[in-house]
Amino acid sequence: DIQMTQSPSTLSASVGDRVTITCRASQSISNWLAWYQQKPGKVPNVLIYKASTLEDGVPSRFSGSGSGTEFTLTISSLQPDDFATYYCQHYYSYPWTFGQGTKVEIK
Amino acid sequence: QITLKESGPTLVKPTQTLTLTCTFSGFSLSMSGVGVGWIRQPPGKALEWLALIYWNDNKYFSPSLKSRLSITKDTSKNQVVLTMANMDPVDTATYYCAHNSVTSYYFDHWGQGTLVTVSS
Repeated sequence: DIQMTQSPSTLSASVGDRVTITCRASQSISNWLAWYQQKPGKVPNVLIYKASTLEDGVPSRFSGSGSGTEFTLTISSLQPDDFATYYCQHYYSYPWTFGQGTKVEIK
Repeated sequence: QITLKESGPTLVKPTQTLTLTCTFSGFSLSMSGVGVGWIRQPPGKALEWLALIYWNDNKYFSPSLKSRLSITKDTSKNQVVLTMANMDPVDTATYYCAHNSVTSYYFDHWGQGTLVTVSS
């Protein structure tokens, strides 16, 4: 199985901050990676797919980059609505796996 | 408009078999390239991918749970059924079904989830 490791596990930030979350794969997954946002008690919502393609309707302050084994999700200017938990997920080969999540908290 | 909804018991006893149904609309599992997957999330913990079934009846499972899982589809009813045998309290989680396709692969539409508690 391909393991996905996110860092940090928790991130404290203020509104307006630039935030970067890292996701590392245990082997190359090319660019077959998605990022999801999940707010407490809510369903996960895809933000980015194919490592860097923004899903329709997602604000442009979100961006993704990377390929191979290292990927990043960046929020250029953190907004109050962005405090949530973020998960990466590969879909390079079966079984698909998720990272353990990164919780973005208010500083 | 794609929608999915999970249904099933909210409480199961240890050793019992869990049966969850995902009823969807806005797409058909007889359409080439379409898939429906199951993901779970224990309270306060991360998402875990469980299983996936495609239009052509190809099925994929989490290796750690493969011996306990079964996934089937009923295209006439627009449903996918997941069964998990020998339930244990550690299987307590919110179970989600989600849509994907071979053109995108990632889960682009999710059901609301259903919380299943395993307790005697």
